[in-house]
Formats: sequence, C-alpha cells, structure tokens
Amino acid sequence: DGGITQSPKYLFRKEGQNVTLSCEQNLNHDAMYWYRQDPGQGLRLIYYSQIVNDFQKGDIAEGYSVSREKKESFPLTVTSAQKNPTAFYLCASSPRGTYNSPLHFGNGTRLTVT
Amino acid sequence: AQKITQTQPGMFVQEKEAVTLDCTYDTSDPSYGLFWYKQPSSGEMIFLIYQGSYDQQNATEGRYSLNFQKARKSANLVISASQLGDSAMYFCAMRGSNTGNQFYFGTGTSLTVIP
Repeated sequence: DGGITQSPKYLFRKEGQNVTLSCEQNLNHDAMYWYRQDPGQGLRLIYYSQIVNDFQKGDIAEGYSVSREKKESFPLTVTSAQKNPTAFYLCASSPRGTYNSPLHFGNGTRLTVT
Repeated sequence: AQKITQTQPGMFVQEKEAVTLDCTYDTSDPSYGLFWYKQPSSGEMIFLIYQGSYDQQNATEGRYSLNFQKARKSANLVISASQLGDSAMYFCAMRGSNTGNQFYFGTGTSLTVIP
C-alpha cells in the first residue's frame, strides 16, 4: 500500500537537544510538507519541498531545519533554537503543480520536550 | 491573498441528523481546488472530499457532500445521517493554480455528535 510513514509516533526529548523526525513516502510525489499543530489549533506550515535538493520556508521555519536528499524522504530537525517545540508534527505529500490533488498525510509524531 | 475562514469553532449535532460545516475562501487564482479533511482525536488527517472551481456539480462522497457556491466563495461540508464516529475536527483547505504547491487551511471546526 502506498502511503506516508512518520516515525516515531511519540518522541520525548530533553530541552537543549536537537531531534529529527522521520518522514518517508512511497507515493512518488514530488512535493512534501511539514506542518505543526498545537492543541486545539489548526495547521501551520514549517517547510515544504517541491523537488529533491530544494525546499522553502513556511510560516514558522525558525528553529527548524530540513533536508531533501531523496524524493522519498523529508526529515525534519527540531533544533534547540525552537522555543516551544512540544507539539504534534504532521508530514504530507502531494503531486507537484496540480491544484486538484489533495495532500496525503502521515499519522503524525507527537513531540514532547521537557 | 489566499485565505480560508471557518467561523464555527464548535458544532453539535444529534445522531442521525445532518450538519453543515461552513467554509469561505478568498483567492485571486483563476482555478483552484477546495478540500475537506477530518481529524479524529488520534490525530491523523483523513481526506474527505474535493471540489474543483470549474466543476459544474457539487461533489459528493458517500454521506459527505460539498455545497459549493462560487459567487459567494463558500464551500460548506454537509454530513448527512451523522454517526458517533463523525465526532472530530474538520478542516477546509484550498490549493490554487498559481500557488499550486501551497495549501491554505482554515482553523477548523470541532464537531460533536450526540447520541
């Protein structure tokens, strides 16, 4: 089955540590996205990538970094510079450049930093 | 500017009744797609239904239908015969022809189905 895999489902880290969230897709989609969701809130775009080796900042990129070395993979690193990293993180993908294609989401990673 | 507005933070509906979740949008793109997603408490985002800006008929998918009024820039989701499992957050989203790789989301509506 094609889909998006995010791992792990739950992640706990100490303050001051960098942490990397994994996102892998086998849908052959060019575009991939990272969203952050806080309790009771909507989705906020962190980064997105349209093709390999290219990515753009979203609305809340500060304190985050990404890489896109392979079409299938778009890992997100939450750095120690992110002031409030505890949140639910959703990865998504979509075919590029077609406005009638939906976003396909992974099941999310719940990050808790103490 | 692209914008999605969902004005109902929370809605309640009796089981087996129909409910309408509101969504209005603003875009300057000549063509665009409108999407609805369901997010249960477990967190995953489930794609429900799509409406294209040039589609002549309102989209339907099972118990979900989209009441699309282009002149009013509204794309309301109608859920018929509500079930307890419909209790979730619902998000409206848009993707435009000129900003094709960006999705714009509303703030969501929390739906509670009452037995």
